[in-house]
Amino acid sequence: DAMVIQNPRYQVTQFGKPVTLSCSQTLNHNVMYWYQQKSSQAPKLLFHYYDKDFNNEADTPDNFQSRRPNTSFCFLDIRSPGLGDAAMYLCATSTDGGGQPQHFGDGTRLSIL
Amino acid sequence: SQQGEEDPQALSIQEGENATMNCSYKTSINNLQWYRQNSGRGLVHLILIRSNEREKHSGRLRVTLDTSKKSSSLLITASRAADTASYFCATEGVNTDKLIFGTGTRLQVFP
Repeated sequence: DAMVIQNPRYQVTQFGKPVTLSCSQTLNHNVMYWYQQKSSQAPKLLFHYYDKDFNNEADTPDNFQSRRPNTSFCFLDIRSPGLGDAAMYLCATSTDGGGQPQHFGDGTRLSIL
Repeated sequence: SQQGEEDPQALSIQEGENATMNCSYKTSINNLQWYRQNSGRGLVHLILIRSNEREKHSGRLRVTLDTSKKSSSLLITASRAADTASYFCATEGVNTDKLIFGTGTRLQVFP
Protein backbone atom coordinates (compact mmCIF):
# COMPACT_ATOMS: atom_id res chain seq x y z
CA ASP A 1 0.00 0.00 0.00
CA ALA A 2 1.19 3.49 -0.82
CA MET A 3 2.10 5.25 2.36
CA VAL A 4 4.24 7.61 4.41
CA ILE A 5 6.73 5.89 6.70
CA GLN A 6 8.59 7.50 9.55
CA ASN A 7 11.57 5.97 11.29
CA PRO A 8 12.13 5.46 14.08
CA ARG A 9 8.77 5.59 15.89
CA TYR A 10 10.52 6.50 19.12
CA GLN A 11 13.84 8.30 19.44
CA VAL A 12 15.70 9.16 22.60
CA THR A 13 18.65 11.50 22.49
CA GLN A 14 20.74 13.45 24.92
CA PHE A 15 20.55 17.17 25.46
CA GLY A 16 22.68 18.81 22.77
CA LYS A 17 23.34 15.62 20.79
CA PRO A 18 22.37 15.92 17.11
CA VAL A 19 19.54 13.73 15.94
CA THR A 20 18.06 12.93 12.52
CA LEU A 21 14.52 11.78 11.86
CA SER A 22 13.58 10.25 8.55
CA CYS A 23 10.51 10.08 6.37
CA SER A 24 9.90 8.13 3.20
CA GLN A 25 6.90 7.97 0.90
CA THR A 26 5.68 5.68 -1.84
CA LEU A 27 2.92 8.06 -2.97
CA ASN A 28 5.21 9.95 -5.37
CA HIS A 29 3.89 13.22 -3.99
CA ASN A 30 5.90 16.32 -4.79
CA VAL A 31 5.21 18.17 -1.54
CA MET A 32 6.57 17.02 1.82
CA TYR A 33 5.95 18.69 5.17
CA TRP A 34 7.45 18.45 8.65
CA TYR A 35 5.30 19.30 11.67
CA GLN A 36 6.07 19.47 15.37
CA GLN A 37 3.27 18.45 17.73
CA LYS A 38 3.60 18.87 21.47
CA SER A 39 1.33 17.07 23.89
CA SER A 40 -2.36 17.98 23.49
CA GLN A 41 -1.51 20.72 20.97
CA ALA A 42 -2.11 21.28 17.28
CA PRO A 43 0.56 20.26 14.76
CA LYS A 44 2.80 23.21 13.95
CA LEU A 45 4.41 23.44 10.52
CA LEU A 46 8.21 23.67 10.63
CA PHE A 47 8.98 23.67 6.90
CA HIS A 48 7.97 22.08 3.64
CA TYR A 49 9.42 21.17 0.26
CA TYR A 50 7.69 21.75 -3.04
CA ASP A 51 9.82 19.37 -5.12
CA LYS A 52 13.33 20.58 -4.26
CA ASP A 53 12.23 24.08 -3.23
CA PHE A 54 12.63 24.49 0.52
CA ASN A 55 10.18 26.71 2.43
CA ASN A 56 11.02 27.53 6.02
CA GLU A 57 8.44 28.91 8.45
CA ALA A 58 9.49 32.25 9.93
CA ASP A 59 9.32 31.01 13.51
CA THR A 60 11.13 27.70 12.98
CA PRO A 61 14.29 27.75 15.13
CA ASP A 62 17.65 27.67 13.32
CA ASN A 63 18.34 24.50 15.29
CA PHE A 64 16.01 22.66 12.89
CA GLN A 65 17.15 21.83 9.38
CA SER A 66 15.91 19.58 6.63
CA ARG A 67 17.16 17.69 3.61
CA ARG A 68 15.30 16.16 0.71
CA PRO A 69 17.77 14.18 -1.40
CA ASN A 70 15.07 12.81 -3.71
CA THR A 71 11.28 12.65 -4.15
CA SER A 72 10.87 9.72 -1.78
CA PHE A 73 12.92 10.77 1.23
CA CYS A 74 13.02 13.72 3.58
CA PHE A 75 15.06 14.21 6.76
CA LEU A 76 14.68 16.43 9.79
CA ASP A 77 17.94 17.31 11.53
CA ILE A 78 17.96 18.83 14.99
CA ARG A 79 21.47 20.13 15.54
CA SER A 80 21.47 20.65 19.29
CA PRO A 81 18.25 19.39 20.85
CA GLY A 82 17.00 21.14 23.94
CA LEU A 83 14.43 19.92 26.44
CA GLY A 84 11.82 22.05 24.70
CA ASP A 85 12.26 20.06 21.49
CA ALA A 86 10.72 16.95 23.00
CA ALA A 87 7.64 16.35 20.87
CA MET A 88 6.02 14.21 18.20
CA TYR A 89 7.41 15.01 14.75
CA LEU A 90 5.05 14.33 11.90
CA CYS A 91 5.86 14.04 8.22
CA ALA A 92 3.15 14.57 5.61
CA THR A 93 2.87 14.62 1.84
CA SER A 94 0.48 16.02 -0.72
CA THR A 95 0.18 16.44 -4.47
CA ASP A 96 0.64 19.90 -5.97
CA GLY A 97 0.36 21.57 -2.57
CA GLY A 98 -2.89 23.47 -2.76
CA GLY A 99 -6.41 22.16 -2.36
CA GLN A 100 -5.36 18.62 -1.61
CA PRO A 101 -5.48 16.49 1.53
CA GLN A 102 -2.25 15.74 3.33
CA HIS A 103 -1.15 12.18 4.04
CA PHE A 104 0.62 11.71 7.36
CA GLY A 105 3.06 9.19 8.71
CA ASP A 106 2.63 7.86 12.24
CA GLY A 107 5.26 10.22 13.57
CA THR A 108 8.45 9.95 15.58
CA ARG A 109 8.17 10.69 19.28
CA LEU A 110 11.39 12.39 20.36
CA SER A 111 12.51 12.37 23.99
CA ILE A 112 15.43 14.40 25.31
CA LEU A 113 17.43 13.20 28.31
CA SER B 1 0.19 31.47 14.16
CA GLN B 2 -2.70 29.24 15.10
CA GLN B 3 -5.75 30.10 13.10
CA GLY B 4 -8.38 27.58 14.13
CA GLU B 5 -10.07 27.38 17.47
CA GLU B 6 -12.19 24.36 18.19
CA ASP B 7 -14.85 23.69 20.73
CA PRO B 8 -15.48 21.83 22.78
CA GLN B 9 -11.94 20.95 23.83
CA ALA B 10 -13.23 17.59 25.02
CA LEU B 11 -16.44 15.67 24.45
CA SER B 12 -17.65 12.43 26.05
CA ILE B 13 -20.66 10.58 24.68
CA GLN B 14 -22.21 7.12 24.61
CA GLU B 15 -22.11 4.85 21.58
CA GLY B 16 -24.96 5.59 19.23
CA GLU B 17 -25.11 9.28 20.09
CA ASN B 18 -24.13 12.03 17.67
CA ALA B 19 -21.01 14.13 18.21
CA THR B 20 -20.69 17.71 17.00
CA MET B 21 -17.44 19.65 16.93
CA ASN B 22 -17.04 23.26 15.92
CA CYS B 23 -14.17 25.16 14.37
CA SER B 24 -13.72 28.91 13.98
CA TYR B 25 -11.02 30.63 11.98
CA LYS B 26 -9.85 34.16 11.33
CA THR B 27 -8.93 34.84 7.71
CA SER B 28 -10.15 33.99 4.22
CA ILE B 29 -9.64 30.41 3.14
CA ASN B 30 -9.48 28.25 0.02
CA ASN B 31 -10.69 25.20 1.88
CA LEU B 32 -11.11 23.69 5.31
CA GLN B 33 -10.17 20.13 6.16
CA TRP B 34 -10.94 17.81 9.07
CA TYR B 35 -8.48 15.23 10.36
CA ARG B 36 -8.64 12.50 12.99
CA GLN B 37 -5.73 11.50 15.19
CA ASN B 38 -5.74 8.36 17.29
CA SER B 39 -3.54 8.45 20.37
CA GLY B 40 0.14 8.23 19.46
CA ARG B 41 -0.54 8.04 15.74
CA GLY B 42 -0.44 10.34 12.73
CA LEU B 43 -3.35 12.35 11.38
CA VAL B 44 -5.84 10.83 8.99
CA HIS B 45 -7.66 13.03 6.49
CA LEU B 46 -11.44 12.82 6.81
CA ILE B 47 -13.01 15.41 4.56
CA LEU B 48 -12.18 18.58 2.62
CA ILE B 49 -14.74 21.32 2.00
CA ARG B 50 -13.98 24.17 -0.39
CA SER B 51 -14.84 27.77 0.31
CA ASN B 52 -17.69 27.74 -2.24
CA GLU B 53 -19.31 24.68 -0.65
CA ARG B 54 -21.69 24.79 2.29
CA GLU B 55 -22.11 21.15 3.23
CA LYS B 56 -20.42 17.86 2.52
CA HIS B 57 -21.10 14.27 3.56
CA SER B 58 -18.90 11.21 3.81
CA GLY B 59 -20.43 8.12 5.37
CA ARG B 60 -21.37 9.03 8.97
CA LEU B 61 -19.61 12.40 8.69
CA ARG B 62 -21.31 15.67 7.85
CA VAL B 63 -19.34 18.89 7.54
CA THR B 64 -20.78 22.37 7.18
CA LEU B 65 -18.97 25.58 6.31
CA ASP B 66 -20.20 29.12 6.88
CA THR B 67 -17.66 31.52 5.39
CA SER B 68 -19.63 34.57 6.53
CA LYS B 69 -19.18 33.45 10.14
CA LYS B 70 -15.77 31.88 9.48
CA SER B 71 -16.86 28.65 11.09
CA SER B 72 -17.29 24.97 10.34
CA SER B 73 -18.79 22.03 12.13
CA LEU B 74 -18.16 18.29 11.99
CA LEU B 75 -21.02 15.96 12.89
CA ILE B 76 -20.39 12.28 13.49
CA THR B 77 -23.66 10.38 13.55
CA ALA B 78 -24.30 7.11 15.40
CA SER B 79 -20.88 7.22 17.06
CA ARG B 80 -18.88 4.10 17.82
CA ALA B 81 -16.17 3.39 20.40
CA ALA B 82 -13.71 3.29 17.48
CA ASP B 83 -14.45 6.98 16.83
CA THR B 84 -12.57 7.83 20.04
CA ALA B 85 -9.77 10.16 18.89
CA SER B 86 -8.77 13.81 18.60
CA TYR B 87 -10.31 15.73 15.74
CA PHE B 88 -8.61 18.73 14.15
CA CYS B 89 -9.81 21.26 11.67
CA ALA B 90 -7.22 22.78 9.37
CA THR B 91 -7.54 25.76 7.07
CA GLU B 92 -5.74 26.43 3.81
CA GLY B 93 -5.50 30.15 3.23
CA VAL B 94 -5.71 31.94 -0.08
CA ASN B 95 -2.50 31.77 -2.18
CA THR B 96 -0.85 29.22 0.06
CA ASP B 97 -0.43 25.47 0.13
CA LYS B 98 0.01 25.34 3.89
CA LEU B 99 -2.47 24.14 6.48
CA ILE B 100 -2.95 25.77 9.85
CA PHE B 101 -4.43 23.43 12.39
CA GLY B 102 -6.95 24.20 15.08
CA THR B 103 -6.59 23.30 18.71
CA GLY B 104 -8.49 20.02 18.37
CA THR B 105 -11.39 18.30 20.11
CA ARG B 106 -10.77 15.13 22.11
CA LEU B 107 -13.72 12.80 21.59
CA GLN B 108 -14.34 9.87 23.92
CA VAL B 109 -17.08 7.42 22.95
CA PHE B 110 -18.08 5.00 25.69
CA PRO B 111 -19.42 1.56 24.72
